[in-house]
Amino acid sequence: DAGVTQSPTHLIKTRGQQVTLRCSPKSGHDTVSWYQQALGQGPQFIFQYYEEEERQRGNFPDRFSGHQFPNYSSELNVNALLLGDSALYLCASSLLNLEQYFGPGTRLTVT
Amino acid sequence: AQRVTQPEKLLSVFKGAPVELKCNYSYSGSPELFWYVQYSRQRLQLLLRHISRESIKGFTADLNKGETSFHLKKPFAQEEDSAMYYCALKGSGNTPLVFGKGTRLSVIA
Repeated sequence: DAGVTQSPTHLIKTRGQQVTLRCSPKSGHDTVSWYQQALGQGPQFIFQYYEEEERQRGNFPDRFSGHQFPNYSSELNVNALLLGDSALYLCASSLLNLEQYFGPGTRLTVT
Repeated sequence: AQRVTQPEKLLSVFKGAPVELKCNYSYSGSPELFWYVQYSRQRLQLLLRHISRESIKGFTADLNKGETSFHLKKPFAQEEDSAMYYCALKGSGNTPLVFGKGTRLSVIA
């Protein structure tokens, strides 16, 4: 089991563009959570998906949206990118809402 | 509101010296507390959780509800302990993890 995988590893976008990040959970896990980690900060919770629905949401604008597929994989979409969206985006998977296993992250740079 | 405070951004200690990484939290109910670690070029991983009351890699952490603290301790630091450490809190019910800003531990040979 490769554990939680994320793609792409790095991404450079321009202000105003849209981006989609992908996450495949650890085998046997059904819950996916997304976090944003700005430079010098701890991870900040964006939202969590379970049974293909958004179950919880942190303090992020509607520009941030997501999706979970029947195979439990997930996408994070960010519209109208701002310079401040530059960060490491982490995906974590768990069984129900138990111990979370983190992926390596996607480094997004907005120029 | 849930909040986790790690007052030190960087902590440098000599090999063999004791280590204490501080974590204070704010939460009105009964929280679950965790320590996560990120070694260089590796992903974030769970180090320990207070409900397990176990020692991992020589590290221990005790939840002090009176002082609202969950400090991470190790009696003798090793070079391989050098990493970024994050304290995290989960409230009751179906609530997300709230992380502190992290402390970078540097163990000097």
